[in-house]
Amino acid sequence: GAGVSQTPSNKVTEKGKYVELRCDPISGHTALYWYRQSLGQGPEFLIYFQGTGAADDSGLPNDRFFAVRPEGSVSTLKIQRTEPRDSAVYFCASIPLGQGANGYTFGSGTRLTVV
Amino acid sequence: KNQVEQSPQSLIILEGKNCTLQCNYTVSPFSNLRWYKQDTGRGPVSLTIMTFSENTKSNGRYTATLDADTKQSSLHITASQLSDSASYICVVFDNAGNNRKLIWGLGTSLAVNP
Repeated sequence: GAGVSQTPSNKVTEKGKYVELRCDPISGHTALYWYRQSLGQGPEFLIYFQGTGAADDSGLPNDRFFAVRPEGSVSTLKIQRTEPRDSAVYFCASIPLGQGANGYTFGSGTRLTVV
Repeated sequence: KNQVEQSPQSLIILEGKNCTLQCNYTVSPFSNLRWYKQDTGRGPVSLTIMTFSENTKSNGRYTATLDADTKQSSLHITASQLSDSASYICVVFDNAGNNRKLIWGLGTSLAVNP
């Protein structure tokens, strides 16, 4: 596709439920990042994939959060036993091989609301 | 203490006026600094990207400056338009070892009024 696509754009779920957020990066982009942004805050780093492997998952807040990228393209962020404090906009970004930090392209985000 | 601090937190200006937003950072080693514009409900969009060797970079009515010695950057908006109303976020790329990631400021919320 032309850009980074994230689905769904909005998700409302009940406390304790399981949710999956999907990111379709730009075709050929090898690196993929997940960020989340709470109301009034800047984006917070969650996890970074280089290809299929998670190169840095130090930003995942706890073990309820997990992300995969099995074929090195589409990534899914999975949140178990959701809590109201998980409510935020979750952004995905991808960059092509060799462009380092200069090629970041962000998706429009998934707004997650846990009630 | 946030490694990237921005000021002011919010700003209201009249259409057509100029404004300058400030960013101070402590991230080291420093790879590059970027300014993003984020409209409400949208993903951040890059305005400028500057390496430590660049002092000024322009993108239309947006001009960013960088002083890598004092670790300060500014974003100057000329002849503001109503569509400039958004959050402007300063971001520094932390290139330390394998822990490469963006360090985000909290942003300046700009409102341009007619």
